Amino acid sequence: DSGVTQTPKHLITATGQRVTLRCSPRSGDLSVYWYQQSLDQGLQFLIQYYNGEERAKGNILERFSAQQFPDLHSELNLSSLELGDSALYFCASSGPLEGLANEQFFGPGTRLTVL
Amino acid sequence: DAKTTQPNSMESNEEEPVHLPCNHSTISGTDYIHWYRQLPSQGPEYVIHGLTSNVNNRMASLAIAEDRKSSTLILHRATLRDAAVYYCILSRFGMNRDDKIIFGKGTRLHILP
Repeated sequence: DSGVTQTPKHLITATGQRVTLRCSPRSGDLSVYWYQQSLDQGLQFLIQYYNGEERAKGNILERFSAQQFPDLHSELNLSSLELGDSALYFCASSGPLEGLANEQFFGPGTRLTVL
Repeated sequence: DAKTTQPNSMESNEEEPVHLPCNHSTISGTDYIHWYRQLPSQGPEYVIHGLTSNVNNRMASLAIAEDRKSSTLILHRATLRDAAVYYCILSRFGMNRDDKIIFGKGTRLHILP
């Protein structure tokens, strides 16, 4: 158990819908990262927050957005869902130091299925 | 833009050393090199990271070329539990709060008993 929690574990929804994935980092960690893992694209970095502020942006679509709240939990919002958004979404946390050299601890993931 | 290149798959015998290569010829001076692995049906887990010097920890060793354009993850004595996908990753600190994390496609390591 990494100490990072993600909810829900599974999510099934329809095209065009909007969903929110939630992540709680390990106690004391200030950074939260979001990743997407699909069969054809592998593991892709989406976005990182440090202490509520966006720090790094990867291949995140405009239909996707994220935020980190004052209690440090984070939410990833996916809207206008398409079939191709079906994937495993991982959250990771690190910290408390700023910077990307820190070890990241990954949650168990949320499996999103878009029908 | 920076990227990492890894072989799609590798095979090794149990209890033998494994050398997993990664090419990152476009690496920048301040980019860190990380290795993570993903066991079946699990999230990725940290293995090791380094900047310029070779690094050792309880899991593995990281050998970084002098010009930093390539690195090798070394598992000293592979076990069946080391069968996983190994990712070579670059992380870049941005002066304008535009950090980057660059993932390779990963090497699937098969361990033969």
